[in-house]
Amino acid sequence: DAGVIQSPRHEVTEMGQEVTLRCKPISGHDYLFWYRQTMMRGLELLIYFNNNVPIDDSGMPEDRFSAKMPNASFSTLKIQPSEPRDSAVYFCATLRRSGYTFGSGTRLTVV
Amino acid sequence: SQQGEEDPQALSIQEGENATMNCSYKTSINNLQWYRQNSGRGLVHLILIRSNEREKHSGRLRVTLDTSKKSSSLLITASRAADTASYFCATEGNQFYFGTGTSLTVIP
Repeated sequence: DAGVIQSPRHEVTEMGQEVTLRCKPISGHDYLFWYRQTMMRGLELLIYFNNNVPIDDSGMPEDRFSAKMPNASFSTLKIQPSEPRDSAVYFCATLRRSGYTFGSGTRLTVV
Repeated sequence: SQQGEEDPQALSIQEGENATMNCSYKTSINNLQWYRQNSGRGLVHLILIRSNEREKHSGRLRVTLDTSKKSSSLLITASRAADTASYFCATEGNQFYFGTGTSLTVIP
């Protein structure tokens, strides 16, 4: 089991550009979460899916953020257009009864 | 707002001492989990305690849960320098939340 795989590990982009973060969850884990972590705000839940269906996206900060889960093995978080305040580490995580499994995160820097 | 709030925000102890971190939450839960995060890395699951359990042990970790007070504590006994990390509680119920974290520094 390779765990939750996120790509890229690091992303540096210019303000106004579109950014797409990717996540491959663990097979059989029904829940998938996108979190954002910053020093100022800690861990913030952005959105989560259950069986590929978005359940709660109330944490998505603005319309510039969107997330999809077209199938059980892939999810994306897109920011368009990106802004410097979007700079953070973005984590994808899956959940089973034994708890969350986190990916290694994508460190996004918007300059 | 965060469901899980932890205290202290930061804790510094000598190697060999015990470290205790506390977590408070607001709504009913199915279970509560504790996670560890080393700098620059993802969160790693440590232990899960269900709402009908009061105490759980795993190695040097001891977790307690008081659902009447909506609080949990994580005790790390005989701390080591390698325990230096941030520790988060997470609740699972009708909603999913992570706490604000406790930054633990163990001084060799």
